[in-house]
Amino acid sequence: QSALTQPASVSGSPGQSITISCTETSSDVGDYYYVSWYQQHPGKAPKLMIFDVSNRPSGVSNRFSGSKSGSTASLTISGLQAEDEADYYCSSYTSSSTFFGGGTKLTVL
Amino acid sequence: QLQLQESGPGLVRPSETLSLTCTVSGGPIRSSSYYWGWIRQPPGKGLEWIGVLYYTGNTYYNPSLKSRVTISIDTSKNQFSLRLSSVTAADTSVYYCARHDGSGSYGYWGQGILVTVSS
Repeated sequence: QSALTQPASVSGSPGQSITISCTETSSDVGDYYYVSWYQQHPGKAPKLMIFDVSNRPSGVSNRFSGSKSGSTASLTISGLQAEDEADYYCSSYTSSSTFFGGGTKLTVL
Repeated sequence: QLQLQESGPGLVRPSETLSLTCTVSGGPIRSSSYYWGWIRQPPGKGLEWIGVLYYTGNTYYNPSLKSRVTISIDTSKNQFSLRLSSVTAADTSVYYCARHDGSGSYGYWGQGILVTVSS
């Protein structure tokens, strides 16, 4: 059982916005300051989309944004596109461990 | 551009030791800014963190795997390695190597290698 809980699936239509939540369910996760989000297409390696809760790596579309409130972090994708259909994973880092959420499958209708 | 590439056997027998190597190109593995890690993903399932290592040799492991895992580094070859002992079918996964930065995110990943545990 993951210490970070994500919804199994979310869906949205092209052009819409969706939000994926990631809730800390274990004190083992630590201070939950260092939250990252990854996108994974089938058969591909994960790709970093957000780090440090709300920062985007160079080259990642500004349609992707991250936030955190209390024990729940969120990834928002605006202007949904067909290419956004993928699995999304949150992760949290402490000084000695990394935790991953169970993953959320995003379907673009 | 930094690149990581996993290599090793795709089939390991139960109770034996899984051994994989990650070759890093496009940048030095001997860097004070980064850790180097392993992450795995069972077929059809989510990501599981295995552990990380610093170029000095310091390591941190997933407590659930700690008794069976060893991650080591060879700075002369710009490589780091994973050994997982006493494997069972539950260890069948795609294994990824990745670079871990100061904020705990993994910005660079290898393509992954499927390791099947079967007799």
